[in-house]
Amino acid sequence: NAGVTQTPKFRVLKTGQSMTLLCAQDMNHEYMYWYRQDPGMGLRLIHYSVGEGTTAKGEVPDGYNVSRLKKQNFLLGLESAAPSQTSVYFCASSYYGPYTEAFFGQGTRLTVV
Amino acid sequence: GNSVTQMEGPVTLSEEAFLTINCTYTATGYPSLFWYVQYPGEGLQLLLKATKADDKGSNKGFEATYRKETTSFHLEKGSVQVSDSAVYFCALSIIQGAQKLVFGQGTRLTINP
Repeated sequence: NAGVTQTPKFRVLKTGQSMTLLCAQDMNHEYMYWYRQDPGMGLRLIHYSVGEGTTAKGEVPDGYNVSRLKKQNFLLGLESAAPSQTSVYFCASSYYGPYTEAFFGQGTRLTVV
Repeated sequence: GNSVTQMEGPVTLSEEAFLTINCTYTATGYPSLFWYVQYPGEGLQLLLKATKADDKGSNKGFEATYRKETTSFHLEKGSVQVSDSAVYFCALSIIQGAQKLVFGQGTRLTINP
């Protein structure tokens, strides 16, 4: 039972490079989220999706783009990486409903130098 | 708006000590409340939840009671173990059009033998 799988687990980028983080879930969840985790800041929502073909901005969307072409996948893109985007990125998914919890991937540690 | 505030960390205790991690929330509506735990190098996983006022969530010896009158959801454990060392996140989920999931900043707990 894979749950939520993130790829890659670690990455080092140079300033200005681009990359895509992939999140895949096998639980048929409607909702998917991308968070970043920084020391002392908790989890901050970057973008989320309420279903296939839809995306919406979260708390800190600048510098990121997302796509959800298939229900099971949610991609996070950095078009031109900046050192401020050094962080640990978590993907999560959930059913739609007031009582449902989110399921998280293991995270991607990204360093931008 | 919706927000979650947790007690500042880090928290360091000796094995078998009593644990309390405070959590208060602000919500424009009736949220469900959650505690997630993050072990080193891993993603977040659900520890316990409560979906309405006066509900008590419990798991692995941890407990938290949904207190609407004080807008609180404090995490407690009577006797902590070294294996409880982790970061703990309080969170709320609420339906306002879309489903919103809001996290506190996390509290790092270290248990010494």
